[in-house]
Amino acid sequence: DTEVTQTPKHLVMGMTNKKSLKCEQHMGHRAMYWYKQKAKKPPELMFVYSYEKLSINESVPSRFSPECPNSSLLNLHLHALQPEDSALYLCASSLGTYQGRMNTEAFFGQGTRLTVV
Amino acid sequence: DAKTTQPNSMESNEEEPVHLPCNHSTISGTDYIHWYRQLPSQGPEYVIHGLTSNVNNRMASLAIAEDRKSSTLILHRATLRDAAVYYCILRSGGYQKVTFGIGTKLQVIP
Repeated sequence: DTEVTQTPKHLVMGMTNKKSLKCEQHMGHRAMYWYKQKAKKPPELMFVYSYEKLSINESVPSRFSPECPNSSLLNLHLHALQPEDSALYLCASSLGTYQGRMNTEAFFGQGTRLTVV
Repeated sequence: DAKTTQPNSMESNEEEPVHLPCNHSTISGTDYIHWYRQLPSQGPEYVIHGLTSNVNNRMASLAIAEDRKSSTLILHRATLRDAAVYYCILRSGGYQKVTFGIGTKLQVIP
């Protein structure tokens, strides 16, 4: 199984809502990532989790709150978002730093298309 | 992160080879060269990666210059399904970021 599964595929939320995006992989990867992609732009890294600990936060506003409850799951909790946060949110995973091979590919999910109204 | 430079867009006729260039003049000795592509409305997909030697896999070939300051992704026979944005990325061996540049939008003409 080489899939990264993201749910939901589409989400519309109001600016006062709280919602969560979910990402799951069963490849035994210990590095997981969240990216944000605006239309016609490249993906922008938001967070990296390494062995279930947050290792990189690219100065993301606190209205985005990541969580890694176990080695297979990654969540992104959303609260009080703005319309400009509407984007495609991508999750990815790869082997962790200590999993033998140091430089391997990342596997991406199909993304959650988020619209903030 | 070391930076990569790619043309914004390229065109190819269907069933012809495509050479997608990437410049990375500030590459360090531990940087691997990765290529990903993103088809419309999909997440990025790994294509190929290499360090110094040329690499081949079922999707493409990667030709790396001897000084490693540039590389070329080669699609041997472009199909309509290869129309995508292709990203050239440098990834250090011990570092976990996958940082995307602007990429090259490949259009395949029937």
